Amino acid sequence: AQSVTQPDIHITVSEGASLELRCNYSYGATPYLFWYVQSPGQGLQLLLKYFSGDTLVQGIKGFEAEFKRSQSSFNLRKPSVHWSDAAEYFCAVSRPNAGGTSYGKLTFGQGTILTVHP
Amino acid sequence: DAGITQSPRHKVTETGTPVTLRCHQTENHRYMYWYRQDPGHGLRLIHYSYGVKDTDKGEVSDGYSVSRSKTEDFLLTLESATSSQTSVYFCAISSRGNEQFFGPGTRLTVL
Repeated sequence: AQSVTQPDIHITVSEGASLELRCNYSYGATPYLFWYVQSPGQGLQLLLKYFSGDTLVQGIKGFEAEFKRSQSSFNLRKPSVHWSDAAEYFCAVSRPNAGGTSYGKLTFGQGTILTVHP
Repeated sequence: DAGITQSPRHKVTETGTPVTLRCHQTENHRYMYWYRQDPGHGLRLIHYSYGVKDTDKGEVSDGYSVSRSKTEDFLLTLESATSSQTSVYFCAISSRGNEQFFGPGTRLTVL
């Protein structure tokens, strides 16, 4: 069974500082990989996704993530954090839906809460 | 934003009562999902649907049932609510079973 680990429950950074949120997964092959963001009281918004190809993926709001097969990781980065980035971030994986057999079921990490100090 | 609505948005109910949550989409997407979100657990899949009348269990399906009689609606039913089902419930949709788009959530409290 696939699993996702986000080692950091809570991260605090200063506005303007760089950010890296860690995500490690356990899966027999290369899964589909996702980062979602959730503001308080809101639903989840897709930040970026990786299916195949270039291992550096650009997303919305200035975020990027790098897939490293050798480390089973898909870390999220942003060069300069804004106060509006304060939220909870979720990494998720699914089996590729080749032939329509996996149905895209997502397995989520526990989430990382990001606090931004002025 | 994907056209997904959930109703009700908030509900308080008593132990032992039946509860039905509704997810409605206007995107004509084939796949629909129900997740629950609890602190420290992220989101966990309850049930999913891969077409009208085609549903299957997810990771935490005990105590829940679903129905999908038409493409746009996916209902989640708690036959007899328990306090352990107090949670925030999210519906999601996907056109091809890859990326998913989430609804605004339903906060359910079982007293």
